[in-house]
Amino acid sequence: DTAVSQTPKYLVTQMGNDKSIKCEQNLGHDTMYWYKQDSKKFLKIMFSYNNKELIINETVPNRFSPKSPDKAHLNLHINSLELGDSAVYFCASRGPAGTDTQYFGPGTRLTVL
Amino acid sequence: GNSVTQMEGPVTLSEEAFLTINCTYTATGYPSLFWYVQYPGEGLQLLLKATKADDKGSNKGFEATYRKETTSFHLEKGSVQVSDSAVYFCALSDQWTGNQFYFGTGTSLTVIP
Repeated sequence: DTAVSQTPKYLVTQMGNDKSIKCEQNLGHDTMYWYKQDSKKFLKIMFSYNNKELIINETVPNRFSPKSPDKAHLNLHINSLELGDSAVYFCASRGPAGTDTQYFGPGTRLTVL
Repeated sequence: GNSVTQMEGPVTLSEEAFLTINCTYTATGYPSLFWYVQYPGEGLQLLLKATKADDKGSNKGFEATYRKETTSFHLEKGSVQVSDSAVYFCALSDQWTGNQFYFGTGTSLTVIP
C-alpha cells in the first residue's frame, strides 16, 4: 500500500487555467505538507496542515490555496496558472511530535505552457 | 533562525570510491538532523537520521554523525555503487518549530561504473 499518494503524476496545462492536485496519506498522521521543487532540485515548503488546521503558510502567491477536508487529505488548488508555476510538487506527511520523519509522495510534475 | 547549508554539486564518482557530502546547520534549539535521498523520478525517502549530539545515523552503508561542536552532519559512504546515483538532501527539524523542516539545496551524485 502506498503511504502517501498524489494524483495526477503529470499535469500539463495552459497559462491561465485552474488546476488541482490531490494528496492522501494512509499513515494516520496528523500533519501534512506541500513542497515545491524547482528545476534545480531546490525544495521549498509552501503549506503545512495539522489536523485540518493551517499552521505554516509561507510566502506563496494567493493563487495557491490548500484545502484539507480531513486529516488524511491535503489538496492543492492553483488558480490562473503561470509559466513560473512549472515545477514538481510534493506532498508529505509527518507523525506526532517526537516522530520527526516526513514521508513524501511521488510528486506531481506540473508543466504550464 | 534555522538553516541548512550543504555541499554544492554535482558530484561524480567512480564506483567503489569514498563519498563525503558536507552539511552544516544553524538552529535555535536542539534539532534532529536527517539525510533524505531522491532517486530519479521519485519522491524523497528518509536515508538516516540522528536526534541528539554524537548520535550516528546509518543505513545502506551510509553514515552521518551529529556533531554539535562543529554544527555538522556530513554524509559518508565507504564504497559507492551505481545505484547510489541520486540527489541527497540534508535537513533539520527543530523542537521549537517541530512542524517545519528545513532542507538544504540538495547535492546530485552520479556514480559511474
